Amino acid sequence: DAKTTQPPSMDCAEGRAANLPCNHSTISGNEYVYWYRQIHSQGPQYIIHGLKNNETNEMASLIITEDRKSSTLILPHATLRDTAVYYCIVSPYNQGGKLIFGQGTELSVKP
Amino acid sequence: ETGVTQTPRHLVMGMTNKKSLKCEQHLGHNAMYWYKQSAKKPLELMFVYSLEERVENNSVPSRFSPECPNSSHLFLHLHTLQPEDSALYLCASSQDTANTEAFFGQGTRLTVV
Repeated sequence: DAKTTQPPSMDCAEGRAANLPCNHSTISGNEYVYWYRQIHSQGPQYIIHGLKNNETNEMASLIITEDRKSSTLILPHATLRDTAVYYCIVSPYNQGGKLIFGQGTELSVKP
Repeated sequence: ETGVTQTPRHLVMGMTNKKSLKCEQHLGHNAMYWYKQSAKKPLELMFVYSLEERVENNSVPSRFSPECPNSSHLFLHLHTLQPEDSALYLCASSQDTANTEAFFGQGTRLTVV
C-alpha cells in the first residue's frame, strides 16, 4: 500500500501558484519524497525529489516539513498544461523505478 | 518524448490470442520495468529487470510473460488473457535500480474481448 495521503482533487487558477499537499507520517529515515505527474493518457513524468531539505528545479519546488511527516509541491505559475494527476511517493533512494503509486491528486488548472 | 517507446499504442485481443507488447529505450539505462494501470486503480508494479535479469515479479499471473533480450528492449508476452486484464500497460526505465528518476513510455492501451 502507498505510504502517502493526498487530497483526491484540487483546482487552481491559471497563472497562480498550485500548492499540492502530501502527508507521509510514517516515513523512514532512509526514504525520499518523490513527485511524479501523469497527464491524461500518457505515462507518468518525474518532477522532483528530496530527503529533508527544500528542493527547486525548473518544474517545481518541494517543501518538506522539519519532521518530514508532510510535504508540499509548488508549481509557481500553473498553466493549463499542468492539469494532471500528481503522485507523491516515499521510497528508499535505492529503489529506483520500483515505485508504489497511490491515487494521487487530480489537479485542474482553470482559465 | 521521454526516450522510452512502447508499441503498439493500442491493442485489442481475444481471450485465446497470443500477443506481445514491446518497449524500447535508447537512454543507456540498465533497469526496466512493467507497470499495469487499471481503470480507477493506482499503477501497479509487475516486473523489474536489472542488467537483463528479472529481479522482481510481483505475484503476476503466468499468462503474463516478460522477456528482456538486451538492456534496450523489454517485451511482455500475453496469452489467454481475461477481460479484467484490460488496462494501460506502462514500461519504464532508470539508469539502474538505485537511480532516482524513472522514465515512462506512453503505454499500450490493451482491451481483451
